[in-house]
Amino acid sequence: DAGVIQSPRHEVTEMGQEVTLRCKPISGHNSLFWYRQTMMRGLELLIYFNNNVPIDDSGMPEDRFSAKMPNASFSTLKIQPSEPRDSAVYFCASSTTTSGPYNEQFFGPGTRLTVL
Amino acid sequence: SQKIEQNSEALNIQEGKTATLTCNYTNYSPAYLQWYRQDPGRGPVFLLLIRENEKEKRKERLKVTFDTTLKQSLFHITASQPADSATYLCALLNSGNTPLVFGKGTRLSVIA
Repeated sequence: DAGVIQSPRHEVTEMGQEVTLRCKPISGHNSLFWYRQTMMRGLELLIYFNNNVPIDDSGMPEDRFSAKMPNASFSTLKIQPSEPRDSAVYFCASSTTTSGPYNEQFFGPGTRLTVL
Repeated sequence: SQKIEQNSEALNIQEGKTATLTCNYTNYSPAYLQWYRQDPGRGPVFLLLIRENEKEKRKERLKVTFDTTLKQSLFHITASQPADSATYLCALLNSGNTPLVFGKGTRLSVIA
């Protein structure tokens, strides 16, 4: 298995532009998580989906952030408009919860976003 | 307020010694606790899970303890090697379907 796939790996954009991050979870996994990691705040959960349905988006910082999971093999995280404080590494992770909520999460390589 | 604190941002030890990393939590009642390893430029990788009713878990040179009275987990790497140098993250899972909450991590450097 290729693992969790994220694209792009690096994104540099200017303030005010729209940014779309993409994630393909591991086949067969039914939970998907979007995280943001910074030195100051560590790894923060933004939103997670179970069976393609958003379960908890309380970590989404503002209305500028939105996430979708149109099918079991694809999810997007969109920031519109982007701001310099959105600069961070964004991780997507997936897991299977068929045997409980405590299963390990498999992380993608991350997208390093820089907003100028 | 709820907090997860990992003992220090960075820890340096000599090769061959045992590294001990600490994870303390406040105002959580975790049913499970997980430890992850993160290398620079990569996503975290799962290492171990320990349940609230387990005192200790081992996997090769790794050992994790979980003390719900002290609200603390200790993560040990015995016979440490330079290849163990990485950032180690603890993560809590409360009972129910609430997702994992991560600590900020401890950066371990094993010096040859």
